[in-house]
Amino acid sequence: NAGVTQTPKFQVLKTGQSMTLQCAQDMNHEYMSWYRQDPGMGLRLIHYSVGAGITDQGEVPNGYNVSRSTTEDFPLRLLSAAPSQTSVYFCASSYGGPDSNQPQHFGDGTRLSIL
Amino acid sequence: KQEVTQIPAALSVPEGENLVLNCSFTDSAIYNLQWFRQDPGKGLTSLLLIQSSQREQTSGRLNASLDKSSGRSTLYIAASQPGDSATYLCAVRPLGKGTYKYIFGTGTRLKVLA
Repeated sequence: NAGVTQTPKFQVLKTGQSMTLQCAQDMNHEYMSWYRQDPGMGLRLIHYSVGAGITDQGEVPNGYNVSRSTTEDFPLRLLSAAPSQTSVYFCASSYGGPDSNQPQHFGDGTRLSIL
Repeated sequence: KQEVTQIPAALSVPEGENLVLNCSFTDSAIYNLQWFRQDPGKGLTSLLLIQSSQREQTSGRLNASLDKSSGRSTLYIAASQPGDSATYLCAVRPLGKGTYKYIFGTGTRLKVLA
């Protein structure tokens, strides 16, 4: 049972480069989201999706794009990497509607450094 | 604006001790509160989820309580073990139709000494 799988686990980019962080889940969860974790700031929501074809912005969406073409996959795109985007990125998923009380399942994270 | 605070930021205890981790939040309008465990270099693992209508949840040696009116939750760990060493995070799901987000605290880093 794979759960939530994130790739790559580590990545170093130069300022201005673009890349896509991959997230896949095999639990048929409707809800998926991306967080970034920075020291002293906790996890902050970047974007989320309530189902295939539906996405919305979270707390810190600038500089990131998402799409949800399938239930399983929710990639996060950095358009033009900046040093301020150096962080650990987590993808999470959960089952059920917006008002459900279902726990979130997290991937192991992608550690991203922007030089 | 909802804010979540966890104090202390770090805690060291000897093995076998019962301990309490604290989480406070500023707005009582929440769907639920969730406690997570994070091991170094790993993602978050859900420990307990308390719905807004509940007062507590238990799983093994863990017990989480919720007092919405005072904006507080506690995670009680009984008979702590070195394997409990990790960072513990709490997160609240604010009320709001059509929204889906959690507001996280910065965590308490726990070290249980053998």
